[in-house]
Amino acid sequence: EAGVVQSPRYKIIEKKQPVAFWCNPISGHNTLYWYRQNLGQGPELLIRYENEEAVDDSQLPKDRFSAERLKGVDSTLKIQPAELGDSAVYLCASSSLAGTRNEQFFGPGTRLTVL
Amino acid sequence: QKEVEQDPGPLSVPEGAIVSLNCTYSNSAFQYFMWYRQYSRKGPELLMYTYSSGNKEDGRFTAQVDKSSKYISLFIRDSQPSDSATYLCAMQGAQKLVFGQGTRLTINP
Repeated sequence: EAGVVQSPRYKIIEKKQPVAFWCNPISGHNTLYWYRQNLGQGPELLIRYENEEAVDDSQLPKDRFSAERLKGVDSTLKIQPAELGDSAVYLCASSSLAGTRNEQFFGPGTRLTVL
Repeated sequence: QKEVEQDPGPLSVPEGAIVSLNCTYSNSAFQYFMWYRQYSRKGPELLMYTYSSGNKEDGRFTAQVDKSSKYISLFIRDSQPSDSATYLCAMQGAQKLVFGQGTRLTINP
């Protein structure tokens, strides 16, 4: 079974530029998460989708961040414009509502460097 | 104060040693307790999952939860160089996963 796929793996941009990250969750997983992991810290949730609906976006900085999950499968996270403080690893995870464990499976992340 | 506190280390031990990793938490609503392992340049992967106070063993790994003290631990027996990674504790309540800072562990051959 293929895991969570993310692209690109690495991205270097200058501040004020836009950037987008793409995630393809595990097939059949209806819940999708975007996390941000700063250096030396644990992941912090940005947004959670149940199918195509964003059910928790309370931690998403909406002035510059946006996300979408069209058709309830792939998802894109966008930053416009990027700031120096946005340098971090952006992780995508997915889980299935089936069962009670709700284990989240993580992708390898996109490492963003803003210069 | 953070909801989940974890000593970031780094922690360096010789091969074969017993490793103890710990986290404390403040939110009584947390119901599920997990340990994730994260290798460099990789995403976290679930290592242990518990939902009640007590011990849970899986091979060389033992997870311990003490809800009365709001304290969880992960023990690694007979540690191997391949165990070198960052270990993240995570707590779940209301479908939200809150991670600790992570402890960077190095097992020296």
